Amino acid sequence: SQTIHQWPATLVQPVGSPLSLECTVEGTSNPNLYWYRQAAGRGLQLLFYSVGIGQISSEVPQNLSASRPQDRQFILSSKKLLLSDSGFYLCAWSMYGGFNQPQHFGDGTRLSIL
Amino acid sequence: AQSVTQLDSHVSVSEGTPVLLRCNYSSSYSPSLFWYVQHPNKGLQLLLKYTSAATLVKGINGFEAEFKKSETSFHLTKPSAHMSDAAEYFCVVSDGTASKLTFGTGTRLQVTL
Repeated sequence: SQTIHQWPATLVQPVGSPLSLECTVEGTSNPNLYWYRQAAGRGLQLLFYSVGIGQISSEVPQNLSASRPQDRQFILSSKKLLLSDSGFYLCAWSMYGGFNQPQHFGDGTRLSIL
Repeated sequence: AQSVTQLDSHVSVSEGTPVLLRCNYSSSYSPSLFWYVQHPNKGLQLLLKYTSAATLVKGINGFEAEFKKSETSFHLTKPSAHMSDAAEYFCVVSDGTASKLTFGTGTRLQVTL
């Protein structure tokens, strides 16, 4: 069966510090991968998605970036965090090429910026 | 473009009574629709999915949803609420491009004794 791992579960960072959140998927090959942010009391905002190694699409202009160095690894980064980057970050995967495929989510990272 | 509207931001029911969470969708083609549940500080868990097969879809934990094309609705129901059902529920539509999903704003379900 497929599993998705996200870490860390919680993170407290000062403004202006760098960020690296990692997500890995097991039990499937060439998945579509996604990063979402969920602000307190609000819905999900798609930040990035990837359909293959090195292929990243950005949905929202911001100071965040994403990379996919390996087939089942997806990394969310920032060089300098802003207060507005606080939130709950979720990684998800879906089967490659499937129109009707749902996405499967990790347990998320709670990021607090001080 | 597709969209979903969750008609209630908050629903409160008593334990043992039926649950109804309402969702209307808009799509220019035959959509795929999903319901997800999110417990506090957790990721989203897939409850059920509609992908143009049977219009009545059964999911996990006793939930089901009915796709009604004439009403553009995909309401989520459960005959008898349990305390563990208290969570945030999201209605979601697929746009068919790299499986990108459009999320509703969520309905918080409260279950009281």
